[in-house]
This record gives sequence, C-alpha cells and structure tokens, in this order.
Amino acid sequence: GENVEQHPSTLSVQEGDSAVIKCTYSDSASNYFPWYKQELGKRPQLIIDIRSNVGEKKDQRIAVTLNKTAKHFSLHITETQPEDSAVYFCAASIWANSKLTFGKGITLSVRP
Amino acid sequence: GAVVSQHPSWVICKSGTSVKIECRSLDFQATTMFWYRQFPKQSLMLMATSNEGSKATYEQGVEKDKFLINHASLTLSTLTVTSAHPEDSSFYICSARAPDREAGKLFFGSGTQLSVL
Repeated sequence: GENVEQHPSTLSVQEGDSAVIKCTYSDSASNYFPWYKQELGKRPQLIIDIRSNVGEKKDQRIAVTLNKTAKHFSLHITETQPEDSAVYFCAASIWANSKLTFGKGITLSVRP
Repeated sequence: GAVVSQHPSWVICKSGTSVKIECRSLDFQATTMFWYRQFPKQSLMLMATSNEGSKATYEQGVEKDKFLINHASLTLSTLTVTSAHPEDSSFYICSARAPDREAGKLFFGSGTQLSVL
C-alpha cells in the first residue's frame, strides 16, 4: 500500500519568512495530493491540493509543487503569519480509489 | 466547500458501555464515508470505509465487531464503539467526498473526542 513520509516533524519560522514542508510517497499510481491544516481540537481543513497532471499550483500565499519522478511534493507558505501556526498533513491517493493515506504531520510554529 | 456534520463533539462514558457517533453530509450525497482515529499529536489513521447500502471495509487491525459501522442512507453514517474501554479513548473523525462538487475533495466532520473512564 501507499506510504507517505513527512519531514521534519516540527518547523519554526519567523513571521514573514517562508516555510516549506516536504512529503514523499511510495506508490507511483497515486495521482492526488492534498494538504490539510489542523488546529488543536479542530477538524482538518483542506488548504490546497494538486493532481499528477500539474507540476505546481498556487493560491495566494500557499503553493504546492509536485515532482512525480522523485515522488515528492511540497507545501510552500510565503509571508508566514502567526495564524499559520498549526499541524499540516500531506496525503496521497489514487483518484479512483477514494482512500487517502496521510503523513504523520508537521507542527508549524510562526514566531511573532 | 461541502459540509460534513459530526455529532456528538465529545462524549464521556463508563467502561463497558457503547457509544454511537453520527456523521452526516449536509448538502450532498455521500455514497462513501471514511472513519479515522487520531491520537494526540499523531496522524489520522483510517479505520474503515463506510459504503452506503453495503458492509463497511475495515483496515487491517481494526476490529469490525468492536467498531460497528452503519451507512443506511446517502447522508448518514454511524460508528458505534461497542463495550468501550479506556484504550478506546481517542479523537474520532469522519470524512466524505462530494463526488459531484469540489472535484471529489475530501471534507471532514468536526470530530468526536471520546473519553472512556
């Protein structure tokens, strides 16, 4: 089955700096890669996603890049703000198969 | 985005009792829903896939007789934790895909914090 690795487990950045979170996946058949943000005690919220026919996608301060050859995808957050502090999960799935496999999550702390 | 409602948001029960958690898709029909379990500071672990009108598909290591799933309609799936014990204490969260909206993206319920005394 799919295995999604996420490193590092924690990341601390200064407000205004950029943050990059990287994930790797194992199943070359995976073609859908979402990123979720989860605040303490809350539900995961989809913040951006990418499909395998696209190499990069942007939404304001957030972008995701995908390297199918290397089987990794990354979340980029620019101009970080304290409210970006949360746990971020990457995931992967084969689109036709709805099951998502999640990474272990990374705790992002943005220092004011 | 599509709305998934989960109830209750938290529950405390005595060891040996059963607890039912409801997951509803409010503005779309979900033929498939997913149940996850999350321990503190850990990732989301898929427990089972709930299929409307048929038996749920359980992940390896998840006891189907312990975690009963019923998906009787296109908008409701329930998870019943039977004979709950303290080790069942966890955050349970459901999710559903909206096949006709949002390009089939996965949306989560608000989660249920279960504490078994």
